[in-house]
Amino acid sequence: GAVVSQHPSRVICKSGTSVKIECRSLDFQATTMFWYRQFPKQSLMLMATSNEGSKATYEQGVEKDKFLINHASLTLSTLTVTSAHPEDSSFYICSASGWNYGYTFGSGTRLTVV
Amino acid sequence: QQQVKQSPQSLIVQKGGISIINCAYENTAFDYFPWYQQFPGKGPALLIAIRPDVSEKKEGRFTISFNKSAKQFSLHIMDSQPGDSATYFCAAGGNQAGTALIFGKGTTLSVSS
Repeated sequence: GAVVSQHPSRVICKSGTSVKIECRSLDFQATTMFWYRQFPKQSLMLMATSNEGSKATYEQGVEKDKFLINHASLTLSTLTVTSAHPEDSSFYICSASGWNYGYTFGSGTRLTVV
Repeated sequence: QQQVKQSPQSLIVQKGGISIINCAYENTAFDYFPWYQQFPGKGPALLIAIRPDVSEKKEGRFTISFNKSAKQFSLHIMDSQPGDSATYFCAAGGNQAGTALIFGKGTTLSVSS
């Protein structure tokens, strides 16, 4: 079946630094990547949608300059949290979609900003 | 984001009982309705999904019932087991590539032994 590898699974960073999260589709071409954020005991909230080779489309209230999304290839998308602050601490999850493939989720990244 | 309303927020069921979680959606363009199971610290895992051309889909102990006219769908877990204790999310999405899944708020299920 379709597999999406997400790294790192956990990261702790200092306030003001940047963190990059990678999602790779291992056995299919991900034409679209979705990035979600999940706070404790809450649902998955869509942050942005990116199509390979295009700029990401961000949901209302999500700062595009803070959450940089790159989807330069059909197998790799990255989310960079810039100038991270404690309120950015959350669980970030990617989901990849491709032709004839539904939605395949990564295993998530727990970001803690101290 | 288009809403997907999920209830109940939490559910306690005895081992062997039936767990029922309900969802309602607004956007009639949605045509893909999956249920996800999530354990703490893990990403969501697809449990079962349905498209609106059928009213019910069963996979093992898990059944989705779908009511297109009411824009509602539900998950039934038969013979609930302690290992089923997790958070369940319903979601709705479109058939077109590039359409994101919109999630309900989740239901925390506890199955007591």
